[in-house]
Amino acid sequence: EVQLVESGGGLVQPGGSLRLSCAASGFTFSSYSMNWVRQAPGKGLEWVSYISSSSSTIYYADSVKGRFTISRDNAKNSLYLQMNSLRDEDTAVYYCAREARVAAQHDAFDIWGQGTMVTVSS
Amino acid sequence: AIQMTQSPSSLSASVGDRVTITCRASQGIRNDLGWYQQKPGKAPKLLIYAASSLQSGVPSRFSGSGSGTDFTLTISSLQPEDFATYYCLQDYNYPFTFGPGTKVDIK
Repeated sequence: EVQLVESGGGLVQPGGSLRLSCAASGFTFSSYSMNWVRQAPGKGLEWVSYISSSSSTIYYADSVKGRFTISRDNAKNSLYLQMNSLRDEDTAVYYCAREARVAAQHDAFDIWGQGTMVTVSS
Repeated sequence: AIQMTQSPSSLSASVGDRVTITCRASQGIRNDLGWYQQKPGKAPKLLIYAASSLQSGVPSRFSGSGSGTDFTLTISSLQPEDFATYYCLQDYNYPFTFGPGTKVDIK
């Protein structure tokens, strides 16, 4: 079964750090680009970060640039998000999502994890 | 960054109704748009990619259209399991941006 499972969420104080993990199974992880998407309580979806299959290309949303770092370990079939200098507004469910080439020149987020909750509060 | 808007923000409909949701991009994005369905407490699910292509396993009552800046998601005959929030996502360039969502609930 194709699956993504996030972990690492929890309660952290403002200014603190947290590292999220996303474990992939059921597909060739090293062949796919991956993304992190978050959703604040009661709010819409916000794209956070992208990493290509070989880690050669990385993008961040302006809201997290300089504070968050995306990485992956293809040997461990795992995706990571290191979150530093956390703010109240980073409180959200964080999803990892597989980006698949669904058609010629078209990508989409076809597989999502169940999400992990990050709460930033004193 | 490309801004995405959706209308309406919410709607009430009955089972069997035809429902149309609109998404607009702040600049042309060709047909680089997807539609996602999200139910409470669940991860989003891909419905439509490349503006009009149906993802495998998604019922044919869902359809998408549009290109450039204006896009539409249509549910031809609303079913009980379709009550959810729907988001468009532009994948034309990074940062990818989602629309604010359209909540479809029961009339």
